[in-house]
Amino acid sequence: AQSVTQPDIHITVSEGASLELRCNYSYGATPYLFWYVQSPGQGLQLLLKYFSGDTLVQGIKGFEAEFKRSQSSFNLRKPSVHWSDAAEYFCAVAPNSGGYQKVTFGIGTKLQVIP
Amino acid sequence: NAGVTQTPKFQVLKTGQSMTLQCAQDMNHEYMSWYRQDPGMGLRLIHYSVGAGITDQGEVPNGYNVSRSTTEDFPLRLLSAAPSQTSVYFCASSYSRTGSYNSPLHFGNGTRLTVT
Repeated sequence: AQSVTQPDIHITVSEGASLELRCNYSYGATPYLFWYVQSPGQGLQLLLKYFSGDTLVQGIKGFEAEFKRSQSSFNLRKPSVHWSDAAEYFCAVAPNSGGYQKVTFGIGTKLQVIP
Repeated sequence: NAGVTQTPKFQVLKTGQSMTLQCAQDMNHEYMSWYRQDPGMGLRLIHYSVGAGITDQGEVPNGYNVSRSTTEDFPLRLLSAAPSQTSVYFCASSYSRTGSYNSPLHFGNGTRLTVT
């Protein structure tokens, strides 16, 4: 079975600063990887996903993530954070066969943006 | 296009009471699912369905029942609420029933349930 670790429960950054949210996974083969964002009072929204190919993937809202097989990581980055990016971010991992019922979500990282 | 609609948004129950959390989608999605979200636990799958008449258990099914009589609706029933079921519940749906992640998972805005 796969697992996912988000080591940072809470991160605070200044508006305009760069951001990196960490995600490590455990899976025997190349997994499918996702990042979701949850704004207060809302459901989760997909930011980006990695299935195969280019290890640097671009998502919505200016986010990108890089798949590093050697480190079992899929960290989320943004070069300049905006106040509207304050939210909770979830990394998720899935095996490369099967449906969403096989997706495992991390516990989330809550991002606070200070002016 | 309303997407995934969950009702109610908030609910307080007493231990032992029953209730149904409603979930409806208007996107003709085959796959629907229920998650609970607890602090420090992330999202955990309760039940899911890959089409009308087909349901299956997820990671934490105990204490919950589901049915899928139509493509649009996927209600979650708590037969006898317990304080351990205090949580935020999310319904999610996706177009593909065959397991393709190319079709994104759409989430509702959640139901916050408190059981006293």
